[in-house]
Amino acid sequence: NAGVTQTPKFQVLKTGQSMTLQCAQDMNHEYMSWYRQDPGMGLRLIHYSVGAGITDQGEVPNGYNVSRSTTEDFPLRLLSAAPSQTSVYFCASRSAGGGTYEQYFGPGTRLTVT
Amino acid sequence: KQEVTQIPAALSVPEGENLVLNCSFTDSAIYNLQWFRQDPGKGLTSLLLIQSSQREQTSGRLNASLDKSSGRSTLYIAASQPGDSATYLCAVSGNTPLVFGKGTRLSVIA
Repeated sequence: NAGVTQTPKFQVLKTGQSMTLQCAQDMNHEYMSWYRQDPGMGLRLIHYSVGAGITDQGEVPNGYNVSRSTTEDFPLRLLSAAPSQTSVYFCASRSAGGGTYEQYFGPGTRLTVT
Repeated sequence: KQEVTQIPAALSVPEGENLVLNCSFTDSAIYNLQWFRQDPGKGLTSLLLIQSSQREQTSGRLNASLDKSSGRSTLYIAASQPGDSATYLCAVSGNTPLVFGKGTRLSVIA
């Protein structure tokens, strides 16, 4: 049971480049979400999904795309990277109902856009 | 819109002291509240989760309380140690994913 995994751990992009941050979980969780963490701003929600085929925007969705074709995977796409997207990105998951709704986090991806 | 506030933003205490971190939230319709620890440059480690029907949870030297009606939670750390130095984050879960406070940065001085 690997929990929530994220790849890559580190990435440097040039302005205008595109890339996909990968997130996978093996706990059969329906809910998955992406956060970014910036100094002084805390963790802010980018996009989230309540199940395969269903996604919704969070607090800071501009510049990011997501899709959810399987329960396990929830990739985050940067279509045209900007320096303002330099941040640490965290993926999280939890079950949709029953239990404690505890949220589990991946180790993060540190992205620098130059 | 749910908003979570943590006070103080930073705290420095001598080793051995008992301390309290505060968290408040604006919408009492929550499923649970989680406290996390984050070390510099690292990810989030879940410390305690309090379900909306509970009043408190304990793990070792940590005790978290929840007063849902007043929108408050506290994290009590007993007999603090230098290894407790980290940022502590409070987050609430409702119909939408977790909403986080900005954290309290704790330094325990030996």
